[in-house]
Amino acid sequence: DVKVTQSSRYLVKRTGEKVFLECVQDMDHENMFWYRQDPGLGLRLIYFSYDVKMKEKGDIPEGYSVSREKKERFSLILESASTNQTSMYLCASSFPQGLGQGDYEQYFGPGTRLTVT
Amino acid sequence: EDKVVQSPLSLVVHEGDTVTLNCSYEVTNFRSLLWYKQEKKAPTFLFMLTSSGIEKKSGRLSSILDKKELFSILNITATQTGDSAVYLCAVEDNTDKLIFGTGTRLQVFP
Repeated sequence: DVKVTQSSRYLVKRTGEKVFLECVQDMDHENMFWYRQDPGLGLRLIYFSYDVKMKEKGDIPEGYSVSREKKERFSLILESASTNQTSMYLCASSFPQGLGQGDYEQYFGPGTRLTVT
Repeated sequence: EDKVVQSPLSLVVHEGDTVTLNCSYEVTNFRSLLWYKQEKKAPTFLFMLTSSGIEKKSGRLSSILDKKELFSILNITATQTGDSAVYLCAVEDNTDKLIFGTGTRLQVFP
C-alpha cells in the first residue's frame, strides 16, 4: 500500500528556532515535494526534488531549505522559524511521467501543522 | 506567471442537487490537469486529465478537459453530505510541478 509519512502531525515552535520537517515515502518515487497550505491560498509549492541530492525551488522558497540525501526521505528545514511560517505543510511524492506508469498521481502525506509562536 | 483559477470559491447545496465546479488555467508547458478532494486530511486524488473532450467518470463524479479554452469542469450528481469538502484543481507542467488553484469549498446539507 502506498505510503507517505511525515514525522509530526502537530508541531509548536518558537520564533527563531530551527525546525526540521521530515517526509518518508516507501514507493521508490523519484519525485518529492513540499507544499504549504493556507486558507484562501491553496497549496503552494515550496521546493521539489527530482532525485537524490537534486532540488528545485518552487513558488515560495524564501525562508526554507531542503535536503534529499536518500531517495525515500525529503526534509524541509526552517533555519529560523517566523510566525508567518505557521501553516499546514504537506509532503508528496510521485513517479516521473514517461516511465509507463500510466496515469500517475502525487501521493500526499497526512500533513504537519506547524505553529510558530 | 502560471496560474490556476477555480470558481466558485464556495458552494452550498442540498442533498440530491447536481453541482459543477470550474477550473481555468494559464500554464506554459501544460501536461495534465488533476482534481483532488480534500477533507480534514491530505488531498485525495480524483481524476487526471490529459486529453480534450474525453470524460472521466467515477461513480457520481465526472470531469472533462477543454485544452483549447483552457478549462476543466468537475460534475457531482445526486450530491450527498459526504461530498462536503474542498475540491482542488491542479495543473501539472512538464517539469512535474503542480500549480494548484485555491479550491472550491462545497457544503452539502441534508
